Amino acid sequence: QQQVKQSPQSLIVQKGGISIINCAYENTAFDYFPWYQQFPGKGPALLIAIRPDVSEKKEGRFTISFNKSAKQFSLHIMDSQPGDSATYFCAASPGVNTGNQFYFGTGTSLTVIP
Amino acid sequence: GAGVSQSPSNKVTEKGKDVELRCDPISGHTALYWYRQSLGQGLEFLIYFQGNSAPDKSGLPSDRFSAERTGGSVSTLTIQRTQQEDSAVYLCASSPTGASSYEQYFGPGTRLTVT
Repeated sequence: QQQVKQSPQSLIVQKGGISIINCAYENTAFDYFPWYQQFPGKGPALLIAIRPDVSEKKEGRFTISFNKSAKQFSLHIMDSQPGDSATYFCAASPGVNTGNQFYFGTGTSLTVIP
Repeated sequence: GAGVSQSPSNKVTEKGKDVELRCDPISGHTALYWYRQSLGQGLEFLIYFQGNSAPDKSGLPSDRFSAERTGGSVSTLTIQRTQQEDSAVYLCASSPTGASSYEQYFGPGTRLTVT
Protein backbone atom coordinates (compact mmCIF):
# COMPACT_ATOMS: atom_id res chain seq x y z
CA GLN A 1 0.00 0.00 0.00
CA GLN A 2 1.42 3.34 -1.07
CA GLN A 3 1.54 5.54 2.03
CA VAL A 4 2.31 8.68 0.01
CA LYS A 5 0.77 9.24 -3.42
CA GLN A 6 2.53 11.64 -5.78
CA SER A 7 1.41 13.25 -9.03
CA PRO A 8 2.06 13.90 -11.83
CA GLN A 9 4.50 11.20 -12.88
CA SER A 10 6.13 13.61 -15.33
CA LEU A 11 5.95 17.33 -15.95
CA ILE A 12 7.20 19.59 -18.73
CA VAL A 13 7.42 23.31 -18.04
CA GLN A 14 8.73 26.25 -20.01
CA LYS A 15 11.63 28.22 -18.56
CA GLY A 16 10.28 30.88 -16.24
CA GLY A 17 7.07 28.99 -15.56
CA ILE A 18 5.76 27.49 -12.32
CA SER A 19 6.19 23.77 -11.65
CA ILE A 20 3.70 22.20 -9.25
CA ILE A 21 3.97 18.69 -7.84
CA ASN A 22 1.36 17.25 -5.51
CA CYS A 23 1.39 14.62 -2.79
CA ALA A 24 -1.30 13.10 -0.60
CA TYR A 25 -1.09 10.93 2.50
CA GLU A 26 -3.45 9.04 4.80
CA ASN A 27 -1.53 8.52 8.05
CA THR A 28 -2.30 11.41 10.40
CA ALA A 29 0.70 10.41 12.52
CA PHE A 30 3.07 11.81 9.89
CA ASP A 31 4.70 14.97 11.19
CA TYR A 32 7.53 15.70 8.79
CA PHE A 33 7.18 16.21 5.05
CA PRO A 34 10.37 16.65 3.02
CA TRP A 35 10.94 17.04 -0.68
CA TYR A 36 13.99 15.55 -2.34
CA GLN A 37 15.63 16.39 -5.65
CA GLN A 38 17.49 13.70 -7.56
CA PHE A 39 19.69 14.14 -10.61
CA PRO A 40 20.60 11.14 -12.81
CA GLY A 41 23.28 8.97 -11.24
CA LYS A 42 23.07 10.76 -7.91
CA GLY A 43 21.34 10.07 -4.63
CA PRO A 44 18.37 12.21 -3.59
CA ALA A 45 19.19 15.50 -1.87
CA LEU A 46 16.95 17.26 0.62
CA LEU A 47 15.41 20.32 -1.00
CA ILE A 48 12.93 21.68 1.52
CA ALA A 49 10.79 20.27 4.32
CA ILE A 50 7.79 21.28 6.40
CA ARG A 51 6.13 20.33 9.68
CA PRO A 52 2.30 20.26 9.93
CA ASP A 53 2.14 23.25 12.27
CA VAL A 54 2.62 25.66 9.33
CA SER A 55 0.74 25.92 6.04
CA GLU A 56 3.57 27.19 3.87
CA LYS A 57 7.33 27.29 3.80
CA LYS A 58 9.40 29.16 1.25
CA GLU A 59 13.08 28.86 0.46
CA GLY A 60 14.19 30.87 -2.53
CA ARG A 61 12.22 29.72 -5.58
CA PHE A 62 10.89 26.62 -3.78
CA THR A 63 7.69 26.66 -1.71
CA ILE A 64 5.85 23.89 0.10
CA SER A 65 2.13 24.36 0.59
CA PHE A 66 0.60 22.14 3.27
CA ASN A 67 -3.09 21.42 3.79
CA LYS A 68 -3.48 19.41 6.98
CA SER A 69 -7.25 18.92 6.73
CA ALA A 70 -6.98 17.60 3.18
CA LYS A 71 -3.83 15.62 4.00
CA GLN A 72 -2.09 17.07 0.98
CA PHE A 73 1.11 18.96 0.35
CA SER A 74 2.68 20.34 -2.77
CA LEU A 75 5.94 21.70 -4.09
CA HIS A 76 5.93 24.87 -6.16
CA ILE A 77 9.00 25.85 -8.16
CA MET A 78 8.77 29.46 -9.24
CA ASP A 79 10.65 30.80 -12.27
CA SER A 80 11.60 27.26 -13.26
CA GLN A 81 15.05 26.89 -14.84
CA PRO A 82 16.56 24.17 -17.05
CA GLY A 83 18.87 23.33 -14.14
CA ASP A 84 15.78 22.34 -12.14
CA SER A 85 15.25 19.41 -14.51
CA ALA A 86 15.42 16.40 -12.19
CA THR A 87 13.24 13.86 -10.42
CA TYR A 88 11.44 15.12 -7.34
CA PHE A 89 10.24 12.92 -4.50
CA CYS A 90 7.94 13.81 -1.67
CA ALA A 91 8.14 11.87 1.57
CA ALA A 92 6.55 11.65 4.99
CA SER A 93 7.70 10.44 8.36
CA PRO A 94 5.98 9.84 11.69
CA GLY A 95 9.06 11.07 13.50
CA VAL A 96 11.97 9.95 15.60
CA ASN A 97 9.88 8.54 18.42
CA THR A 98 8.22 6.03 16.12
CA GLY A 99 11.26 4.67 14.32
CA ASN A 100 11.80 7.63 12.02
CA GLN A 101 10.83 5.58 8.98
CA PHE A 102 10.30 7.54 5.80
CA TYR A 103 7.68 6.83 3.15
CA PHE A 104 8.41 8.14 -0.33
CA GLY A 105 6.22 9.02 -3.27
CA THR A 106 6.92 7.45 -6.65
CA GLY A 107 8.63 10.56 -8.02
CA THR A 108 7.98 13.23 -10.63
CA SER A 109 10.31 13.71 -13.57
CA LEU A 110 10.50 17.45 -14.27
CA THR A 111 11.79 18.79 -17.56
CA VAL A 112 12.21 22.54 -17.95
CA ILE A 113 12.42 23.58 -21.59
CA PRO A 114 14.72 26.53 -22.35
CA GLY B 1 33.33 17.14 4.89
CA ALA B 2 32.85 13.81 3.14
CA GLY B 3 29.36 12.70 2.35
CA VAL B 4 27.85 9.24 2.37
CA SER B 5 29.82 6.88 0.17
CA GLN B 6 28.73 3.58 -1.31
CA SER B 7 30.61 0.82 -3.06
CA PRO B 8 30.65 -0.56 -5.60
CA SER B 9 28.92 2.03 -7.78
CA ASN B 10 27.85 -0.70 -10.19
CA LYS B 11 27.56 -4.44 -9.73
CA VAL B 12 26.62 -7.03 -12.31
CA THR B 13 26.05 -10.52 -11.00
CA GLU B 14 24.62 -13.78 -12.19
CA LYS B 15 21.34 -15.06 -10.87
CA GLY B 16 21.87 -17.19 -7.78
CA LYS B 17 25.08 -15.48 -6.66
CA ASP B 18 25.44 -13.58 -3.38
CA VAL B 19 26.33 -9.86 -3.35
CA GLU B 20 27.51 -7.44 -0.68
CA LEU B 21 26.91 -3.72 -0.90
CA ARG B 22 28.78 -1.31 1.34
CA CYS B 23 27.80 2.01 2.87
CA ASP B 24 30.07 4.46 4.69
CA PRO B 25 27.87 7.02 6.47
CA ILE B 26 28.84 10.54 7.41
CA SER B 27 31.08 10.45 10.48
CA GLY B 28 29.08 10.91 13.67
CA HIS B 29 25.71 10.11 12.14
CA THR B 30 23.94 7.58 14.35
CA ALA B 31 21.10 6.63 12.02
CA LEU B 32 21.57 4.68 8.81
CA TYR B 33 18.97 3.62 6.26
CA TRP B 34 18.94 1.33 3.25
CA TYR B 35 16.48 1.87 0.41
CA ARG B 36 15.84 0.20 -2.92
CA GLN B 37 14.93 2.26 -5.97
CA SER B 38 13.55 0.40 -8.95
CA LEU B 39 13.20 2.02 -12.37
CA GLY B 40 10.36 4.52 -12.32
CA GLN B 41 9.55 3.79 -8.72
CA GLY B 42 9.97 5.63 -5.48
CA LEU B 43 12.30 4.66 -2.71
CA GLU B 44 11.40 1.44 -0.96
CA PHE B 45 12.50 1.29 2.68
CA LEU B 46 14.56 -1.79 3.51
CA ILE B 47 16.18 -1.43 6.95
CA TYR B 48 17.02 1.22 9.55
CA PHE B 49 19.79 1.30 12.16
CA GLN B 50 19.78 3.76 15.06
CA GLY B 51 22.75 3.76 17.37
CA ASN B 52 22.99 0.55 19.38
CA SER B 53 19.28 -0.24 19.13
CA ALA B 54 17.99 -3.31 17.36
CA PRO B 55 17.55 -2.51 13.66
CA ASP B 56 14.14 -2.04 12.08
CA LYS B 57 14.10 -4.81 9.48
CA SER B 58 10.44 -4.44 8.57
CA GLY B 59 11.18 -3.43 4.98
CA LEU B 60 13.36 -6.36 3.98
CA PRO B 61 11.47 -8.11 1.14
CA SER B 62 12.65 -11.64 1.90
CA ASP B 63 15.01 -13.64 4.09
CA ARG B 64 17.56 -13.46 1.26
CA PHE B 65 18.21 -9.88 2.35
CA SER B 66 20.20 -9.00 5.46
CA ALA B 67 22.23 -6.09 6.72
CA GLU B 68 24.63 -5.36 9.49
CA ARG B 69 26.31 -2.30 10.85
CA THR B 70 29.67 -2.73 12.50
CA GLY B 71 30.85 -0.40 15.23
CA GLY B 72 27.96 1.96 14.63
CA SER B 73 29.51 3.08 11.36
CA VAL B 74 29.96 1.09 8.15
CA SER B 75 27.02 -1.00 6.98
CA THR B 76 26.84 -3.94 4.59
CA LEU B 77 23.69 -5.05 2.79
CA THR B 78 23.87 -8.68 1.69
CA ILE B 79 21.60 -10.27 -0.88
CA GLN B 80 21.84 -14.04 -1.09
CA ARG B 81 20.89 -16.13 -4.12
CA THR B 82 20.14 -13.03 -6.18
CA GLN B 83 17.12 -12.97 -8.47
CA GLN B 84 16.46 -10.80 -11.52
CA GLU B 85 13.83 -8.84 -9.61
CA ASP B 86 16.58 -7.73 -7.23
CA SER B 87 17.96 -5.52 -10.01
CA ALA B 88 17.68 -1.94 -8.77
CA VAL B 89 19.65 0.94 -7.33
CA TYR B 90 20.36 0.44 -3.64
CA LEU B 91 20.64 3.70 -1.73
CA CYS B 92 22.08 4.30 1.70
CA ALA B 93 21.35 7.38 3.81
CA SER B 94 22.52 8.57 7.20
CA SER B 95 21.12 11.05 9.71
CA PRO B 96 22.62 12.95 12.62
CA THR B 97 21.18 12.95 16.12
CA GLY B 98 19.20 15.68 17.79
CA ALA B 99 16.85 18.17 16.18
CA SER B 100 18.33 17.50 12.74
CA SER B 101 17.72 13.79 12.94
CA TYR B 102 14.97 14.06 10.36
CA GLU B 103 17.44 15.10 7.69
CA GLN B 104 18.73 12.23 5.60
CA TYR B 105 21.88 12.47 3.54
CA PHE B 106 21.98 10.00 0.68
CA GLY B 107 24.89 8.31 -0.98
CA PRO B 108 25.10 7.96 -4.78
CA GLY B 109 23.78 4.41 -4.70
CA THR B 110 24.89 1.03 -6.02
CA ARG B 111 23.30 -0.07 -9.28
CA LEU B 112 22.78 -3.82 -9.10
CA THR B 113 22.07 -5.78 -12.24
CA VAL B 114 21.24 -9.47 -11.97
CA THR B 115 21.60 -11.35 -15.26
